[in-house]
Amino acid sequence: ETGVTQTPRHLVMGMTNKKSLKCEQHLGHNAMYWYKQSAKKPLELMFVYNFKEQTENNSVPSRFSPECPNSSHLFLHLHTLQPEDSALYLCASSHPQGSYGYTFGSGTRLTVV
Amino acid sequence: GDSVTQMEGPVTLSEEAFLTINCTYTATGYPSLFWYVQYPGEGLQLLLKATKADDKGSNKGFEATYRKETTSFHLEKGSVQVSDSAVYFCALSYETSGSRLTFGEGTQLTVNP
Repeated sequence: ETGVTQTPRHLVMGMTNKKSLKCEQHLGHNAMYWYKQSAKKPLELMFVYNFKEQTENNSVPSRFSPECPNSSHLFLHLHTLQPEDSALYLCASSHPQGSYGYTFGSGTRLTVV
Repeated sequence: GDSVTQMEGPVTLSEEAFLTINCTYTATGYPSLFWYVQYPGEGLQLLLKATKADDKGSNKGFEATYRKETTSFHLEKGSVQVSDSAVYFCALSYETSGSRLTFGEGTQLTVNP
């Protein structure tokens, strides 16, 4: 247990489905992140939230919709995904000050069929 | 912009062999440097870090020294175990609020018995 909990661990969804990924931390961190990790590709930063405000969206398609209701919870809402969206989705949290590093969750393995 | 370059993998070693994974960085300032490890099916875990030049980070038998003169942060372990098989990521970040982690592409390590 790293302190950042992601659910579900595995998800299979059809291209017409709507699903949500959940991330929760009680480390007192104020920054939260969504990353996408695909096979044989570098880690891709998708979204950043600082104190519940989205501060970064790295040209992510609108079929991915983040939500951060408070500093402890982060969601990624998914709809009409494509097979190429199949990947490991990682959530992380940190203090706003970068030198402390990030704490990552175990990820959600998403398969789009 | 800032960047991190890791030696290409995969790296395959026999148990008890000496490990070096090279990491060099390009930075506009004076970043903190990190090594993260990702075991199969898991998220990334912070392995060690160093916050200023000549600092040595260490954990679980792994070491890395922040070398400003060569802009490097090579990961070493004197005697690897099968359980060290994982993907290793080098990264940098700054102390300033809102600083992002910049990751290298990761190096797959496989240790055979």
